[in-house]
Amino acid sequence: GDSVTQMEGPVTLSEEAFLTINCTYTATGYPSLFWYVQYPGEGLQLLLKATKADDKGSNKGFEATYRKETTSFHLEKGSVQVSDSAVYFCALRGSGGYQKVTFGTGTKLQVIP
Amino acid sequence: GAGVSQSPSNKVTEKGKDVELRCDPISGHTALYWYRQSLGQGLEFLIYFQGNSAPDKSGLPSDRFSAERTGGSVSTLTIQRTQQEDSAVYLCASSPQGQGRVAETQYFGPGTRLLVL
Repeated sequence: GDSVTQMEGPVTLSEEAFLTINCTYTATGYPSLFWYVQYPGEGLQLLLKATKADDKGSNKGFEATYRKETTSFHLEKGSVQVSDSAVYFCALRGSGGYQKVTFGTGTKLQVIP
Repeated sequence: GAGVSQSPSNKVTEKGKDVELRCDPISGHTALYWYRQSLGQGLEFLIYFQGNSAPDKSGLPSDRFSAERTGGSVSTLTIQRTQQEDSAVYLCASSPQGQGRVAETQYFGPGTRLLVL
């Protein structure tokens, strides 16, 4: 079945550091890929998404590129801020027909001033 | 517009009691999901409803857990004979899910925090 693997956290960075959170997946066909974010005390919300190979999703300075050859969708940001501290979840939705969404376990990011 | 709502927001119960958690999805959304998020853990898929299709119950951890969705809208997650390990935040999400390769965003509710004493 489908699966998503994320790097384990927590990840602690200084403000303005470069961020990478790795995400790889296993799925048949061409799934859609997502990053969701959960800020402290808030509900999950979509951060960005990509629907096909080589697509780049971007939002709030975050980017992730759908890499079919490496089955990856790593999240990156060039300069993190304290306000980016949150838990980040990688997810996929399988292709074809009605498919449920599979989430990774989440990676906690803490940005210190 | 109105988002996904869940009730109650918090529930404290005694071990062995039954609980019902409610989810009101966004109007018109055909897909509805239940997840469980334990302290410090990721999202654990529980069950998925899509339109009139048979639900995907593959994530339900035991036969104490069940869910139904009436009229293709409101859903209720029932946990019978609760155990302490059932303590978690139960999240509901809905999406306007269509067929094919449409990347449908999930919209999450605020969750129900369940504590089993």
